[in-house]
Amino acid sequence: EVQLVESGGGLVQPGGSLRLSCAASGFTFSSYAMTWVRQAPGKGLGWVSVISSGDGSTYYADSVKGRFTISRDNSKNTLYLQMNSLRAEDTAVYYCAKVGVSGWADFDYWGQGTLVTVSS
Amino acid sequence: QSVLTQPPSASGTPGQRVTISCSGSSSNIGSNTVNWYQQLPGTAPKLLIYSNNQRPSGVPDRFSGSKSGTSASLAISGLQSEDEADYYCAAWDDSLNGPVFGGGTKVTVL
Repeated sequence: EVQLVESGGGLVQPGGSLRLSCAASGFTFSSYAMTWVRQAPGKGLGWVSVISSGDGSTYYADSVKGRFTISRDNSKNTLYLQMNSLRAEDTAVYYCAKVGVSGWADFDYWGQGTLVTVSS
Repeated sequence: QSVLTQPPSASGTPGQRVTISCSGSSSNIGSNTVNWYQQLPGTAPKLLIYSNNQRPSGVPDRFSGSKSGTSASLAISGLQSEDEADYYCAAWDDSLNGPVFGGGTKVTVL
């Protein structure tokens, strides 16, 4: 059974940093691209970043480019999101998701999410 | 403002058919496949339809998807109370070099 478990969320001041983790199990982690998607309170889904399975290529939404870094440790089956220079508008539930086989907008398994609150 | 456009709400009585539209452009829906996600209240999103019209294992066949040109739609036949949820369309965007979502449609069962 595929499981994705996020951790690392919490309350942080504007300008601060946070690192999210996503522990994966139930599939060959190294063989799949992985992504982060966020959802601000009461709002819709917004893509944050994706990392490929092979060469580890990364892509970012313009809103987080230069501030967030996605990475993966295939030996630990873990996905990360390093978030720096956090802003109030980054407040959201952050979901990690496994990318399916039909394309990089096909997210076939999702974690339960971790809440990040940016506030003074 | 979402790149993909969905109606904010849709509703129907039990047993009815409800359709949700998703409008995009040549750089997203027009050149890539569409996926649909269901988000039940207080839970994480779940993949409902992939590759325009394919259902993952376990998704009831009363959910169906279609695509034509730069638009897509999700149909729910035989609407049930447990279908009350938010539904999102998504597609890769070649111009933005990333996936884009619709704003979501809240389905209410009357």
